Order: sequence, then C-alpha cells, then structure tokens
Amino acid sequence: GNSVTQMEGPVTLSEEAFLTINCTYTATGYPSLFWYVQYPGEGLQLLLKATKADDKGSNKGFEATYRKETTSFHLEKGSVQVSDSAVYFCALSITGGGNKLTFGTGTQLKVEL
Amino acid sequence: EAGVAQSPRYKIIEKRQSVAFWCNPISGHATLYWYQQILGQGPKLLIQFQNNGVVDDSQLPKDRFSAERLKGVDSTLKIQPAKLEDSAVYLCASSLRTGNTEAFFGQGTRLTVV
Repeated sequence: GNSVTQMEGPVTLSEEAFLTINCTYTATGYPSLFWYVQYPGEGLQLLLKATKADDKGSNKGFEATYRKETTSFHLEKGSVQVSDSAVYFCALSITGGGNKLTFGTGTQLKVEL
Repeated sequence: EAGVAQSPRYKIIEKRQSVAFWCNPISGHATLYWYQQILGQGPKLLIQFQNNGVVDDSQLPKDRFSAERLKGVDSTLKIQPAKLEDSAVYLCASSLRTGNTEAFFGQGTRLTVV
C-alpha cells in the first residue's frame, strides 16, 4: 500500500535556525508529493508540491526535492521565523488515483526567539 | 474567494448518540472529500465524492458512518451511533476535479465522544 513516514516532533528551534523535516514514502504507483501546513486554529494549507522525480517545490522560503532514488521529500528552510510555528504534514497522491491524499503523522515545529 | 466552510466547529456528545457535520465546498469544485484526523495521526480519507457520486468510500465504517452530497454541492457526514474512538477532527476538503489538482481544506469539526 501507500504510506508516508515523517520525523516525530516536536521540533524546537531558535529563530533564524536551519530547518529540516524528514519525509520518506512508499507507493504502489507514481506519486505526487506534498507538504501541508496547519497553523494553530486554522485548516490545512498546501505549502508546496512536486509531481515528478527531481522536481523541487518551493514556497515562502521552504523547499523540498522529490528524490525517487531515496523515496524522500524532505522539507527545508534556511532561516525559520516564529511565524513558521505550525504542524507540517507530508503527503502523497497517486497519479490516476483520484487525488486521494495519504498523510504522514505530522511534525510540530516550535520556533522560539 | 470563500474557502471551504464547515460546521459546527466543535461538538461534544455521549457515546451511542448520533451527530452530523456539514460542509460547503468552494464554489465550482466538483470533488469533495471527508477526512478523519485522530489526535497524533495524519488525516485519513473516509469518503470522496465527484459531483454527487461516490468515488471512494473504502475506508468509511459503513455500519455507523454515512455521507451524502445531494445536488453535488453541500455534503453531510453522519455518525450513528458514536463510539469513543470516533473522537477526532473531521476535515472536509474540495478540489476542482478528480486528478492532480490542489485540495483546499476547511477548518474542521472537532468531535469529542464521552
């Protein structure tokens, strides 16, 4: 089946620190990969996505590269801000699979001054 | 553009009672999804509609959960009777169509079964 594994949280960083949240996947078909973010009290929002191998998704200073050889889609940001504090979810959907999303368990990020 | 609307935001019920959640997707979005998010886990798809037809309900516990999308717009998810393990956030999402398009999520309904 399809599954997503991401690093457990919470991850606590100081402002301006470098962020990496690891995500690996298993898929029965060819997946598209996503990172969703959930800010406190809000719904899930798409942060970035990549639809084929070696694609890099980027948004708001966050980046993730689709690595087929390592089945990974790690999220990175060079300098985090307090406003980045949220829960981050890695997800996949299978091309031709109806857009159904399979999510990881989420990683809570806390950024402190 | 208005987002996905869900109500209520919070609901507390006793086990064996029934409950219903309502979702209004983004205007023009043909595909609607209901996800269940148990505390500490990622969201899990319960049911997916394309217009008013069911595309995937393989993970919907049909003995107690039901959902409908009359007229292909609003949707209602019902649980009857509720169990303690149904305590979760129920998320509604919509997308333009089934395929590689972005899904937009509502804020969810937090259900507590006591």
